[in-house]
Order: sequence, then C-alpha cells, then structure tokens
Amino acid sequence: DGGITQSPKYLFRKEGQNVTLSCEQNLNHDAMYWYRQDPGQGLRLIYYSQIVNDFQKGDIAEGYSVSREKKESFPLTVTSAQKNPTAFYLCASSTTGKNGYTFGSGTRLTVV
Amino acid sequence: QKEVEQDPGPLSVPEGAIVSLNCTYSNSAFQYFMWYRQYSRKGPELLMYTYSSGNKEDGRFTAQVDKSSKYISLFIRDSQPSDSATYLCAMSPPNFGNEKLTFGTGTRLTIIP
Repeated sequence: DGGITQSPKYLFRKEGQNVTLSCEQNLNHDAMYWYRQDPGQGLRLIYYSQIVNDFQKGDIAEGYSVSREKKESFPLTVTSAQKNPTAFYLCASSTTGKNGYTFGSGTRLTVV
Repeated sequence: QKEVEQDPGPLSVPEGAIVSLNCTYSNSAFQYFMWYRQYSRKGPELLMYTYSSGNKEDGRFTAQVDKSSKYISLFIRDSQPSDSATYLCAMSPPNFGNEKLTFGTGTRLTIIP
C-alpha cells in the first residue's frame, strides 16, 4: 500500500545535538511538507518542497534544515539552533490535481 | 487575526449525540475545504473534502460550507466513542497543488459512552 513513512516514531536528543527525522513516500507525490504540532497551536509549517532539489521556508523555518534530493524523500534536520525543539513533527505530501494532504504518523522529538 | 479560526474545545458529548464542529475564515479566495481527523499520537487523516459552497454527506458525517458567511461545519450524527479525536479544518485557494493548505488549530472531541 502507498503511504508516507516517518521514522523514528520517538526520538530523544541531548541539547546541542543535531538530529534528522526521516520522511519517505511511495505515492509519487510531487510536493512534500514538514509541520510542527504543539498543544493548542495547531500545525505550523516548517519547510515545503514542490519539486526535487527545491524547497521553501515555511512560517517557522529558523533552526531547521531540509533537503530534497529524491522525489520520495524529504528529511528534516533539527539543529542545535532550534531553541525549543520538543514537539510532534508531521510530514505530509500532495500532488497537483488531487485534493488534500497525506500525512505520516509523526515523530515525537524530546530534548533531554 | 488568524486566517482560519477554530474553537480548540475540548468538547465532550454523550454517545449518540449530534456533534457540530465549526471553522471561520477570512480569506475569500479559499475554495477547497477539508476536515481531518487526528487520533492521539497519530498523523491526521482526510475525513471530508468539499469544493465551494454546499453540503456533502458521507455516512454519519456531513460537511457544510457557507462561503457568504465564511463559515464551514462538520456534523457527526450518532456519535460513537471511536469518534473521539481532534478534528482539524483546512482550506486552500483554487489552484490547489500549488498552494499550501491553511489549517485551523483543531477541536478536541470526546464522546462519552
């Protein structure tokens, strides 16, 4: 079955470390997105990419970086510059002509 | 002011009741309207999708769009404990695929057996 796979499901990071969250899709979708979800704040867009080798900053890109070297993959790196990285991170994808996003199951990142 | 406003709840109703969830928006360019359901510690899943104004029904769920009032609703009939989740509204302008979705903050719903 086609879908989006996020890994790991839970991730613990020490302060000062960079960590990379994986997002892979086999839906042949063109666009991919990273969101951060905090209680009471809904979904906030970090980065998005509409084609390979191109991506744009979302509303809260500071302290994060991404790459889009393959259509299927859109990893997110949470750098040590991100002041408050503990959150639930969601990856999504979409394609032109089809409606709505398909979401992964999320990665819960905790800074210890 | 946010582009999309959604009451965060929490909302608790007894099993079997009719649930009404709502969002208001300010951007008149929005034409596509969606409702997502998100269970705890899971990713959101697309529940209902509507284009422009009108109603759409799918089983116990009805999505309603009133563009003149910039108001959308999701009704759940004969609510079940399995409907307990957070419901997010989302919307986008006409050229979907090139435009990002704008999400509400989500309403947390609990159905009490």
